[in-house]
Amino acid sequence: AQKVTQAQTEISVVEKEDVTLDCVYETRDTTYYLFWYKQPPSGELVFLIRRNSFDEQNEISGRYSWNFQKSTSSFNFTITASQVVDSAVYFCALSEAIGYTGGFKTIFGAGTRLFVKA
Amino acid sequence: EAGVAQSPRYKIIEKRQSVAFWCNPISGHATLYWYQQILGQGPKLLIQFQNNGVVDDSQLPKDRFSAERLKGVDSTLKIQPAKLEDSAVYLCASSSEIRRVGNEQFFGPGTRLTVL
Repeated sequence: AQKVTQAQTEISVVEKEDVTLDCVYETRDTTYYLFWYKQPPSGELVFLIRRNSFDEQNEISGRYSWNFQKSTSSFNFTITASQVVDSAVYFCALSEAIGYTGGFKTIFGAGTRLFVKA
Repeated sequence: EAGVAQSPRYKIIEKRQSVAFWCNPISGHATLYWYQQILGQGPKLLIQFQNNGVVDDSQLPKDRFSAERLKGVDSTLKIQPAKLEDSAVYLCASSSEIRRVGNEQFFGPGTRLTVL
């Protein structure tokens, strides 16, 4: 069964600090995708990054970086030099196929609320 | 490019009343999703359409919730009758058909439902 766990409920940092958001997932499939989404106070979820299960290459994009490790079923997200505008709820999500229907199912973790104080 | 549109943005009803939410996905997106997000939780998928066919509705409480996507474009989610525990934000999202399981989803602003 699918499961996504974000153990950190809330994190509070001071501006310019680095912060890492943890995500641990469970799946029986060998083919799946992992995502991070950001939900600012306005409420609209915004896609940040996607990784497929065969691509463990970690990536840096500006102040964001991701660490995907299949051995520990983790997909962590780091913000370097955090800014007040980074304050939001961040969701990790797992997507995998539903049988042979051509459909797929996405489940989200409970989210981590990040507060960045000036 | 216009984003996912939802209406209304807010709705307050009394329990046992009916309510309907509307969603217009991004033009050309084949897949449409309805999620329920209870305060403090992540979005939970209610139903997923591929064009106008249902792909997954395993978590839709079918005794009170219904959804349709006529002509494979916009969609309506209905609750009848509403219960107190239905208070939540209802999110609509859409994605293109390319790469299927790996598609990122584009979300609308949501409809905040309060059931009194």
